[in-house]
Amino acid sequence: EDQVTQSPEALRLQEGESSSLNCSYTVSGLRGLFWYRQDPGKGPEFLFTLYSAGEEKEKERLKATLTKKESFLHITAPKPEDSATYLCAVQGSNTGNQFYFGTGTSLTVIP
Amino acid sequence: EADIYQTPRYLVIGTGKKITLECSQTMGHDKMYWYQQDPGMELHLIHYSYGVNSTEKGDLSSESTVSRIRTEHFPLTLESARPSHTSQYLCASGTSHLPLHFGNGTRLTVT
Repeated sequence: EDQVTQSPEALRLQEGESSSLNCSYTVSGLRGLFWYRQDPGKGPEFLFTLYSAGEEKEKERLKATLTKKESFLHITAPKPEDSATYLCAVQGSNTGNQFYFGTGTSLTVIP
Repeated sequence: EADIYQTPRYLVIGTGKKITLECSQTMGHDKMYWYQQDPGMELHLIHYSYGVNSTEKGDLSSESTVSRIRTEHFPLTLESARPSHTSQYLCASGTSHLPLHFGNGTRLTVT
């Protein structure tokens, strides 16, 4: 069964302190791995899609990478406005259009 | 600004009442989804639709129904609300080649 595990559950960083969030996945035929950002009281906001091992995507202070078993979301010199919950999801070819989500990492960046 | 709209944003209702959560999207996406999200838990798929007059149940057993009479509209109905239905309900849409796009959710409380 397709599965996604995210770690850590929560992360507190000082402003400017770089770190990485992990998303480990098990999927039959990866169609795509997705990163979302979710602010309190709002729906998830799309950040990145990664399709194959070795692929990397960047957006401002965020960089997502992908291997055959996991993805990392690297946050470089974070700011307080980066505080949010970051969700990872996978879509597998054997499950058609179904998406499987992890439980997320709650990031707090302290000024 | 989100192109997928959910109403109401918040709803407090008594046990046994029938309720309908509305979801509309203006992007012409053929696929639409309903997810349930509880704090610290992954998103659970309740229902999905691949097009007009096409609906399927997701992994999460729920005493709810959906309809897809128009491409842009995908309402979720609870015939008899129970306290166990208290949760955040997220609507999403997409196509085969795009990631999911989420609304801002309906926070439902059943007393």
